[in-house]
Amino acid sequence: GENVEQHPSTLSVQEGDSAVIKCTYSDSASNYFPWYKQELGKRPQLIIDIRSNVGEKKDQRIAVTLNKTAKHFSLHITETQPEDSAVYFCAASITASKLTFGTGTRLQVTL
Amino acid sequence: NAGVMQNPRHLVRRRGQEARLRCSPMKGHSHVYWYRQLPEEGLKFMVYLQKENIIDESGMPKERFSAEFPKEGPSILRIQQVVRGDSAAYFCASSPGDNTEAFFGQGTRLTVV
Repeated sequence: GENVEQHPSTLSVQEGDSAVIKCTYSDSASNYFPWYKQELGKRPQLIIDIRSNVGEKKDQRIAVTLNKTAKHFSLHITETQPEDSAVYFCAASITASKLTFGTGTRLQVTL
Repeated sequence: NAGVMQNPRHLVRRRGQEARLRCSPMKGHSHVYWYRQLPEEGLKFMVYLQKENIIDESGMPKERFSAEFPKEGPSILRIQQVVRGDSAAYFCASSPGDNTEAFFGQGTRLTVV
């Protein structure tokens, strides 16, 4: 089955700096790669996703890149703000249904 | 359009009791997924259901756990004879199709004492 690894497990950046979180996956058949943000005690919320037919997708301050050959994808957050502090999960799937999640990255944005 | 509704939000059970977790999908969604999140860990897929059918239960423990999504009413995740290791957050998600974004509910936090 699919295996997703995520790094780093914790990330601390200063407000205004960029944050990068990286994930690798094992199943070359995977073609859907969402990123979720989870605040303490709350539901995971989709912040951006990418399918295998594109290499990069951007939405305001967040962007995701995908390298299918190397089987890795990354989340980039620019101009970080304190409200970006949360746990971020990457996931991979052949369809959008059965998601295999990474172990999460705890992002702390400091003033 | 209300989001995915899960209840209860918090559930405390003694060891050996049964836990029943409910999930009402978003309106128009016929696909339901259950995930379990242990403390400080990511979400693990448990089961994928459509109305009256279990499509994929490859993530369900072999014993004590069962799930259903009847023709009428919410999806139910049932855990019999709970043990302390079952303590976790259980999230339900729904989607209108099998290759579309899934929306998560607020989760049920099960504590076994």
